[in-house]
Amino acid sequence: GENVEQHPSTLSVQEGDSAVIKCTYSDSASNYFPWYKQELGKGPQLIIDIRSNVGEKKDQRIAVTLNKTAKHFSLHITETQPEDSAVYFCAASTPQFSGGYNKLIFGAGTRLAVHP
Amino acid sequence: DTGVSQDPRHKITKRGQNVTFRCDPISEHNRLYWYRQTLGQGPEFLTYFQNEAQLEKSRLLSDRFSAERPKGSFSTLEIQRTEQGDSAMYLCASSLPLHDPTFGSGTRLTVV
Repeated sequence: GENVEQHPSTLSVQEGDSAVIKCTYSDSASNYFPWYKQELGKGPQLIIDIRSNVGEKKDQRIAVTLNKTAKHFSLHITETQPEDSAVYFCAASTPQFSGGYNKLIFGAGTRLAVHP
Repeated sequence: DTGVSQDPRHKITKRGQNVTFRCDPISEHNRLYWYRQTLGQGPEFLTYFQNEAQLEKSRLLSDRFSAERPKGSFSTLEIQRTEQGDSAMYLCASSLPLHDPTFGSGTRLTVV
């Protein structure tokens, strides 16, 4: 089955710096890769996703890149702010024949701390 | 639309007791998922429903666990004869097909 590895487990940056989180996956059939942000006491919240027909996607200060050949994808946060401090999870999923995705396989998470 | 609602938010139970959690998905979402998250780990898939049909169950879902979605709306997750290893956050999510799931805030279970 699919396995997703995520690095680093913790990341500390100064406000305004960039943060990069990397994930690798094992199942070449996976073609949907979302990223979630989880704050204390809350459920994961989707921040951006990428599908395998594109190599890069950007949304304001957040970007995600995908390398299907190498089976890895990365999250880039630029101009980090203290409110970006949270745990970030990558995930992967394979498509269903009936359409959509049945389950997400998550990485172990990266705790990001942005210091003022 | 208030998002995915889970009840209770916290549950402390003694080992061996049964517990039941409830999830109310976003009203038009026909897919509902249960995940379990232990401290310092990512969520792990347990099971999912499309309408009232339970379409997939993880091997993590032992015989002590049962999930239902009787009318295709809310869902319940029951754990019988709880063990300390069941202590975790239980997350519910819902979606439309081809859409990203929206997660609730979870039920934190502590088995003492």
